[in-house]
Amino acid sequence: DAKTTQPTSMDCAEGRAANLPCNHSTISGNEYVYWYRQIHSQGPQYIIHGLKNNETNEMASLIITEDRKSSTLILPHATLRDTAVYYCIVRVEGSSNTGKLIFGQGTTLQVKP
Amino acid sequence: EAQVTQNPRYLITVTGKKLTVTCSQNMNHEYMSWYRQDPGLGLRQIYYSMNVEVTDKGDVPEGYKVSRKEKRNFPLILESPSPNQTSLYFCASSLLPGGALEQFFGPGTRLTVL
Repeated sequence: DAKTTQPTSMDCAEGRAANLPCNHSTISGNEYVYWYRQIHSQGPQYIIHGLKNNETNEMASLIITEDRKSSTLILPHATLRDTAVYYCIVRVEGSSNTGKLIFGQGTTLQVKP
Repeated sequence: EAQVTQNPRYLITVTGKKLTVTCSQNMNHEYMSWYRQDPGLGLRQIYYSMNVEVTDKGDVPEGYKVSRKEKRNFPLILESPSPNQTSLYFCASSLLPGGALEQFFGPGTRLTVL
């Protein structure tokens, strides 16, 4: 699975959009980009995933560059409850996948009042 | 409510005293997995199970056992716990391991081995 690089930490004002970048320059064609978050010592929570196209759900939007070497997770209106560590994960899908998620260090997002 | 449950949530024990951490999911998921989380090391996979009676080692299986006798349950067994197994443990499940699907995580079990 491709390696990802994320900033260690970011701040965001409450009510503003939080844009969390992720670099995955060695991503291959059959690898998906996943985002999870972990609110202090709770179980990681799935946010969104995508392959090539931009994706949106009730939690967030995922923007993937055309060359797929980077992506941005957007929380459109951050709240204090969005303060968490956000993990960008790249993995292959398919019958040979063991299901393992490789969590890096992630980005600690601090949403401030 | 679709969920993964773990018990106990907190446990303090002593070296060598066998313990079991239970994990149960109510979503009819085929795939289940155990992770441990340690400061500076992130989350690391211990064992996983593709389906009933099918289990395999993850990255850090030493000192742990698992079983998958029923689809919904995937207990983690520490036969002889040691202090280096003090950690935060998470169970996870998904419908299929290889599909582009989300994994659901339990709330965690904080284990301290004295």
